[in-house]
Amino acid sequence: QKEVEQDPGPLSVPEGAIVSLNCTYSNSAFQYFMWYRQYSRKGPELLMYTYSSGNKEDGRFTAQVDKSSKYISLFIRDSQPSDSATYLCAMKGAGGSYIPTFGRGTSLIVHP
Amino acid sequence: GAVVSQHPSRVICKSGTSVKIECRSLDFQATTMFWYRQFPKQSLMLMATSNEGSKATYEQGVEKDKFLINHASLTLSTLTVTSAHPEDSSFYICSAEGPGTSGYNEQFFGPGTRLTVL
Repeated sequence: QKEVEQDPGPLSVPEGAIVSLNCTYSNSAFQYFMWYRQYSRKGPELLMYTYSSGNKEDGRFTAQVDKSSKYISLFIRDSQPSDSATYLCAMKGAGGSYIPTFGRGTSLIVHP
Repeated sequence: GAVVSQHPSRVICKSGTSVKIECRSLDFQATTMFWYRQFPKQSLMLMATSNEGSKATYEQGVEKDKFLINHASLTLSTLTVTSAHPEDSSFYICSAEGPGTSGYNEQFFGPGTRLTVL
């Protein structure tokens, strides 16, 4: 079993839909949880960064962490075609340098 | 936000040649940089951690003599793929650790380098 599981998709939704992206993990030591967006042939860019359990909102994006279930989610409201990209979850434990474990990414397609 | 550049963005080379990829942190100093490899529709695979002024730490299964990493300054790390072969064709991405707006140190990724070995 991989440490971080993420459905690769693709996930295809109409413009304006609410998108839900998810990851599960097995390592209970993970404390920091991130979501990255990666456009085709580009490097990933950090979207959301949360510590421990709870919700965090930033514009149209909401990140949720449920440590008891080892489950994290990213919600995108009012999705736009420009949101079409691969979304990677990442997580790491406390301490040490910044070396997260990445999920394989979910490909999202928002069609007009 | 912090910016990391990579050069070249894409390179095509013949089998047996060596290719050097540069990673620069443009507006901050990065003690630690990371090199990743990504295959199509796959996640990022960490190859090595590069610390300024010291030898890189390679992940299990990554050949250090094939993938030479040099971190000569706080703003530059290089990855040299020696005697490249077609199976080395991939997307190579570097990242640099630096202060983020989240309040924690974050990884800032470069735009990646597409290597094609003929």
